Amino acid sequence: GQNIDQPTEMTATEGAIVQINCTYQTSGFNGLFWYQQHAGEAPTFLSYNVLDGLEEKGRFSSFLSRSKGYSYLLLKELQMKDSASYLCAVKGNTGKLIFGQGTTLQVKP
Amino acid sequence: SAVISQKPSRDICQRGTSLTIQCQVDSQVTMMFWYRQQPGQSLTLIATANQGSEATYESGFVIDKFPISRPNLTFSTLTVSNLSPEDSSIYLCSAGESSEAFFGQGTRLTVV
Repeated sequence: GQNIDQPTEMTATEGAIVQINCTYQTSGFNGLFWYQQHAGEAPTFLSYNVLDGLEEKGRFSSFLSRSKGYSYLLLKELQMKDSASYLCAVKGNTGKLIFGQGTTLQVKP
Repeated sequence: SAVISQKPSRDICQRGTSLTIQCQVDSQVTMMFWYRQQPGQSLTLIATANQGSEATYESGFVIDKFPISRPNLTFSTLTVSNLSPEDSSIYLCSAGESSEAFFGQGTRLTVV
């Protein structure tokens, strides 16, 4: 079976750092994606990891450990506009993406 | 990155009718997918749209209810048939290659 877990909700303070975790158990692995989705909008691509390690892209970084079935998305210098849902998705052998339930992040002043 | 145009962006439909959603990609892509996102929830994969052959449906989704066409490598349609209020949702097209997966802006369907 396939299972992707993320926390449902998180709250953080403007200017701080927040880490959103994702654990997965899937049949086959061809990469892990993170998306940001604001209410009423389509998901926006943030990052892609297929090898172990950290990928940094501006204020956002994503980490992958394939042996542990674990990833996290790190958001630095949080801004109010970062309030959104963050979706973890795993690509299996057939190329299709399976999504976790998403983490709603609220950034407070 | 691929640019995906999806239309209509929203529609209100009567029970028992059908809605066809179109997805156009600005470049040829191998993989195209259709997702449903119900209010407050994450994305659920409906099917993989295969070019030149029948779509591959996920558990719980059937061709009679969600017929899909993919005549070429840049275009696909999803039809939601025999609409009921339970079909009210956002439908999203996705496309991309191995390390990419981009989304259209979505179609918000309301069934009355």
